[in-house]
Amino acid sequence: DVKVTQSSRYLVKRTGEKVFLECVQDMDHENMFWYRQDPGLGLRLIYFSYDVKMKEKGDIPEGYSVSREKKERFSLILESASTNQTSMYLCASRFPRVSYGYTFGSGTRLTVV
Amino acid sequence: AQSVAQPEDQVNVAEGNPLTVKCTYSVSGNPYLFWYVQYPNRGLQFLLKYITGDNLVKGSYGFEAEFNKSQTSFHLKKPSALVSDSALYFCAVRPHGSSNTGKLIFGQGTTLQVKP
Repeated sequence: DVKVTQSSRYLVKRTGEKVFLECVQDMDHENMFWYRQDPGLGLRLIYFSYDVKMKEKGDIPEGYSVSREKKERFSLILESASTNQTSMYLCASRFPRVSYGYTFGSGTRLTVV
Repeated sequence: AQSVAQPEDQVNVAEGNPLTVKCTYSVSGNPYLFWYVQYPNRGLQFLLKYITGDNLVKGSYGFEAEFNKSQTSFHLKKPSALVSDSALYFCAVRPHGSSNTGKLIFGQGTTLQVKP
């Protein structure tokens, strides 16, 4: 089975801190994604990467950046955390040109205080 | 704009009764449609997909979904609900032109509550 591992289940950070959320997948998937999940809003795409060192903005990229130096790892960076970035963050990966959906990680619940 | 709507925040059903979770979509071209389920404190799990072919697709855990092109709907169904089906359900669509990136658009989610 494909595994997508997010390094932390719960994180508490202070306003203004630089925060790194890590995601690793073990099946050589080319496409990787970061979503945030908020009640009543569903999942919103922050950034995605369709290959190493390739990235594209999603629907809500403001306040975030990403890094994909190796195929298996996709990092989400909050440059200066703010309270409105308190959310559940979900990472996912996918093998392109195959007509199934994503494999998701278990999520990181981030609280910014 | 391409979008997905789940009109019900919550669906309540008694165990053993049939359930339906509604989803409508708005995309250009032929849609790829998906259902995912999320149990508490977990990531999303793939349930089923519609790409082409038979309008009734079967998925995991006894779930099925019916694609209706004229109504632009993709409702999730199960003939007999279980208490263990209680979870958060997401409908998703792959927008036209995103075949290489695999980008999906998700609905806002519907909480299914199955009572004993």
